[in-house]
Amino acid sequence: SSELTQDPAVSVALGQTVRITCQGDSLRSYYASWYQQKPGQAPVLVIYAKNNRPSGIPDRFSGSSSGNTASLTITGAQAEDEGDYYCNSRDSSGNHYVFGTGTKVTVL
Amino acid sequence: EVQLLESGGGLVQPGGSLRLSCAASGFTFSRYAMSWVRQAPGKGLEWVSSISGSGSSTSYADSVKGRFTFSRDNSKNTLHLQMNSLRAEDTAVYYCPRVGPQDDFDYWGQGTLVTVSS
Repeated sequence: SSELTQDPAVSVALGQTVRITCQGDSLRSYYASWYQQKPGQAPVLVIYAKNNRPSGIPDRFSGSSSGNTASLTITGAQAEDEGDYYCNSRDSSGNHYVFGTGTKVTVL
Repeated sequence: EVQLLESGGGLVQPGGSLRLSCAASGFTFSRYAMSWVRQAPGKGLEWVSSISGSGSSTSYADSVKGRFTFSRDNSKNTLHLQMNSLRAEDTAVYYCPRVGPQDDFDYWGQGTLVTVSS
């Protein structure tokens, strides 16, 4: 399968922890990267190569992976973390990229 | 500072053509693969195409293969996406992210909107 599946929406109380998952066969062979997108804005890379943060991304964002599932965890969620989150990886052939279906995160 | 600026979007009729451009600056352009990613209104991200740093290798999503052509001019730090036989389902904001060293999309422009409608 070339699909990456995410839960459509999750909510988290301010200051609490939320985990977003991404499932797909290709994740057994390739790392996932994660992107945050706010309304009307371009996506921003928040995690790459499973658990690395680009400069400027807060350390409350972390990534992990096991088997066919990659996860993005926000520890101590802030109001500014609201938005859509997408995972991304290669497809099973390795020739193409594929994005996850996206998860809308709401901070209560 | 890495900057990516997409242009060329607009309204086009079904079956028509459009050429998108992406101007890059702030990094050694020829050393990086580049991609096009699109987002239909209210929908998720969809990878469209990628090109190697030299421009010698390209790949396309099945949804656009045979209709879209991705090219680059390393002397002008510019990308082009030639889109032919456009369909309503090609309506989207088109982004040209850089492919980072770890095979991610590390920098994005603000995108350009393509609307295919009669």
